[in-house]
This record gives sequence, C-alpha cells and structure tokens, in this order.
Amino acid sequence: NAGVTQTPKFQVLKTGQSMTLQCAQDMNHNSMYWYRQDPGMGLRLIYYSASEGTTDKGEVPNGYNVSRLNKREFSLRLESAAPSQTSVYFCASSELAANTEAFFGQGTRLTVV
Amino acid sequence: QKEVEQNSGPLSVPEGAIASLNCTYSDRVSQSFFWYRQYSGKSPELIMSIYSNGDKEDGRFTAQLNKASQYVSLLIRDSQPSDSATYLCAVLSTSNYQLIWGAGTKLIIKP
Repeated sequence: NAGVTQTPKFQVLKTGQSMTLQCAQDMNHNSMYWYRQDPGMGLRLIYYSASEGTTDKGEVPNGYNVSRLNKREFSLRLESAAPSQTSVYFCASSELAANTEAFFGQGTRLTVV
Repeated sequence: QKEVEQNSGPLSVPEGAIASLNCTYSDRVSQSFFWYRQYSGKSPELIMSIYSNGDKEDGRFTAQLNKASQYVSLLIRDSQPSDSATYLCAVLSTSNYQLIWGAGTKLIIKP
C-alpha cells in the first residue's frame, strides 16, 4: 500500500541546473498538490491540480512548472534552480477538494548550491 | 499579519499532562480547519478536522473551534512521549479553496 510516492528523496543541484520531481499516488485521488516547507514558514502551496487535466498556481509558483501527466502522476519541474529554492518539497493528494484529508509523500530534500 | 498563526514553541509538557496547542486565523469566513502532526524528518499526517463551533473529540485528542474569536485549538490528554512532534494548523481558504498552513508548534513530552 504505497500511497503517495515521491522521487528523489534527496538532491543537490548547482545554480542554473534543471530537474523534475516525480510524484505518483495509487489511491485514485482526484486532487494533487506540491508544497515546499521552509523552517519557520510552514507549508506553502506551489501548484495544485484539482482534477486530471487542470493545474493552478498556488502561493509561490515562480520558478516552477507542473504537469498532471494522468490521474496518478503530478510532476514539478525547476527549469533553472536558484539557492532560494533550497527547501523540502512535499507532494500530496486528496480524494476530492482540499477540505478532504490530504495524504503526503515522504518529501524531497533539495539543496541548490 | 500572517493568515494562520501558531506559537512556534517548543512547548514542553510532562508525560500524562494535557498539552494545549493554539492557532489563530485571519479569514473570518473560513469554515474548515485541520490539525496535522509531523514527526521530525517525516511528512504531515491528519489528526483532526473540525467544521463547527465547539469541541470535537477523538480518543485522546480534542479539537476546539471558536469562529467568533477566530481560533482553533488542539488538546492532547494523557500526553505520551510518542506525541512529541510538530503540530500544524491548516485553514481552508475561501479565496481559492486551498489549505493555508501555520508554521507549526513543536511539542515535547517529557517522561
């Protein structure tokens, strides 16, 4: 029973490099989310996908792009990494809208040097 | 003013005592409120949700909501060392229907 699976768990990038964070859920959830978590700031929403085929910006979308590949998968891309993007990234999913329980992946610890 | 505010702690509570965690929010018309627990190095997990004024109990956990005063709290009775974690308050925004998160309160239960 995998739930929400994120890859990779750790990544170090040089400034200007690009990468894609992968997320997949096996709970048949409609909604998926990407958050970043920084010390003292809580979780901040980067992008979300309320349903397959739709994506919307969250609170901090600059420097990121997303793709809802299908109902299971929601990827986050950093086109040109910056040190300010050093953070822990969480993918989450929920059955319907955001007021239903969100299930989180194990997180990706990203360092940009 | 942050939209969802929590005392960052750490809050230190003796084992067996009641731990009280508080959260205030700025959106007067918010209707949905959540408490998540996050162990160090792990991902958040839902503990309680509350939608109506008053108390909601689930085992050792009680969520309290006061919409007039715009605060929501979480009480943990008979605190155990395994309750040591960061507790995140989340409020459903009425502007985009997404969760707005507090920074979390770190709780330490001392044996």
